[in-house]
Amino acid sequence: GAGVSQSPRYKVAKRGQDVALRCDPISGHVSLFWYQQALGQGPEFLTYFQNEAQLDKSGLPSDRFFAERPEGSVSTLKIQRTQQEDSAVYLCASSPVLRTIYNEQFFGPGTRLTVL
Amino acid sequence: AQRVTQPEKLLSVFKGAPVELKCNYSYSGSPELFWYVQYSRQRLQLLLRHISRESIKGFTADLNKGETSFHLKKPFAQEEDSAMYYCALSGQYGNKLVFGAGTILRVKS
Repeated sequence: GAGVSQSPRYKVAKRGQDVALRCDPISGHVSLFWYQQALGQGPEFLTYFQNEAQLDKSGLPSDRFFAERPEGSVSTLKIQRTQQEDSAVYLCASSPVLRTIYNEQFFGPGTRLTVL
Repeated sequence: AQRVTQPEKLLSVFKGAPVELKCNYSYSGSPELFWYVQYSRQRLQLLLRHISRESIKGFTADLNKGETSFHLKKPFAQEEDSAMYYCALSGQYGNKLVFGAGTILRVKS
């Protein structure tokens, strides 16, 4: 079946531009995560949704970062007034059902954002 | 604070040699530990988790709570094992994953 998809795969933005990154999770997956991966680093947590509810946004680095999942399926990560330090790969992951024990997270291919 | 440390950026071994990828963690509680792998031009995927106590593709990892370690081992490396390996933790019944910086494993013929 189809895995997690993300678009665009590559995005080049000029400093100060707004960008929107899209994530299509695996159909029926309740949980959705966004991670940021800087060059040479492991992924770092940004935010977490359970259905349409954003339960944890503790990893968002500034108020320029905003995420939504209005219908509990597709999610969009928006970055306003991009800065060079925002350059990274943005990963989306989804996970089935509600948590009682750990459920495997399935990752998308990522969006590579380059801010010039 | 939750932290995962992978001390080696690159580990290079010959085919057939044993492999050990090191992972140490810091967590105040009982975490769940995982190894994720990313092969060339593929997406990040789960390799194994400590709670399952399973061997995947010949890899095993034992959680040592005393040493707060979760090293990944394989007795005989294969060329197809060449990839980036990430150790990660999650709080028990938690959600977000905390990743280490990753170790590149290169298996030479």
